[in-house]
Amino acid sequence: AQSVTQPDIHITVSEGASLELRCNYSYGATPYLFWYVQSPGQGLQLLLKYFSGDTLVQGIKGFEAEFKRSQSSFNLRKPSVHWSDAAEYFCAVAEGAGKSTFGDGTTLTVKP
Amino acid sequence: SQTIHQWPATLVQPVGSPLSLECTVEGTSNPNLYWYRQAAGRGLQLLFYSVGIGQISSEVPQNLSASRPQDRQFILSSKKLLLSDSGFYLCACFPGLAGRNEQFFGPGTRLTVL
Repeated sequence: AQSVTQPDIHITVSEGASLELRCNYSYGATPYLFWYVQSPGQGLQLLLKYFSGDTLVQGIKGFEAEFKRSQSSFNLRKPSVHWSDAAEYFCAVAEGAGKSTFGDGTTLTVKP
Repeated sequence: SQTIHQWPATLVQPVGSPLSLECTVEGTSNPNLYWYRQAAGRGLQLLFYSVGIGQISSEVPQNLSASRPQDRQFILSSKKLLLSDSGFYLCACFPGLAGRNEQFFGPGTRLTVL
């Protein structure tokens, strides 16, 4: 069965600093990988996705993620964090028919 | 593009009362539909999914049920709510477009069982 681990429950960074959120997955075949962001009380917004091809994918809001098959990782990065990036971030892996397995999320706090 | 509507947005119900949450989808036909629950401080847990009208698969045993009476309508129900049913319920749609394997999420329903 597929699984997703987000090792960091909570991360705090200063505004303008760089950010990396970790995601490790377990899946038998080539994975479809996603990062979502959730603001308090809201639904999920897709930041970026990886299906195949270039292992460095660009997303919205200046985020990028790198797929590393050898490490079973799909870490999310942003070079300079803005206060509006404070939210909860979820990594997910999908199998066929769109069923997704989500990590438990990482809460990002941005210090002024 | 597809749009997912969920209502109500928030709901407070006593233990033992019934539940009906509705999800409707616009902008796509014959999508796969999903119900997820998000408990406080946790990720999303898949509860049910449906690949067509009247076709429901349950992922975890629980106090809830789902139905799909129309192609773009997905309903989550309970006859008697438990305290543990509290959470944030998200409906999702998988349009199944060629070359894409992503879900789209509705705005969610916050359920509090007292």
